[in-house]
Amino acid sequence: EAQVTQNPRYLITVTGKKLTVTCSQNMNHEYMSWYRQDPGLGLRQIYYSMNVEVTDKGDVPEGYKVSRKEKRNFPLILESPSPNQTSLYFCASSLYGSGTEAFFGQGTRLTVV
Amino acid sequence: EDQVTQSPEALRLQEGESSSLNCSYTVSGLRGLFWYRQDPGKGPEFLFTLYSAGEEKEKERLKATLTKKESFLHITAPKPEDSATYLCAVCGNNAGNMLTFGGGTRLMVKP
Repeated sequence: EAQVTQNPRYLITVTGKKLTVTCSQNMNHEYMSWYRQDPGLGLRQIYYSMNVEVTDKGDVPEGYKVSRKEKRNFPLILESPSPNQTSLYFCASSLYGSGTEAFFGQGTRLTVV
Repeated sequence: EDQVTQSPEALRLQEGESSSLNCSYTVSGLRGLFWYRQDPGKGPEFLFTLYSAGEEKEKERLKATLTKKESFLHITAPKPEDSATYLCAVCGNNAGNMLTFGGGTRLMVKP
């Protein structure tokens, strides 16, 4: 089954404790991206990657890191999480760039206390 | 900078009552306009891609249309299972490979 898998689905952590949210796709897509979704602000793009070893900032990259060492994986790293990073996070992939249909993961609800 | 505004924010319909959702956009060279459906607690699910003004696409009770400034998602004779948040997004030529989403329209269809 074609899918984008995120882990964990739910995470509660404390301020400053480094964490990683994993994302994996099984469709051999070139493009992967991370979004956060907040009430009243909608979906905002954090980072995206056109291919292995190629990453670019989205609208709200501050406080986040990403890496793309393999085509299928695109982890999101929060080196020192803060409460304003409490949000619902989605990973997505598409075949060629953002101009093609995106497949989204089920989301990761992160709470930073 | 690409911008997307969706209206209304929320819409309540009776089952069978047709209506339209609006997505207004400003973009420097449209590469694609997308409609997604999002159910509570789930990731957005792709519905349509529109590339040029005048284009229309249909799927079951949904029909998406596109002009140079806006897109409409028409819902004909909706059913309760059509209740969801509908998201519009654009990708423009000057945005690199970024996708800009609107705030969404929360649709509630009552039996």
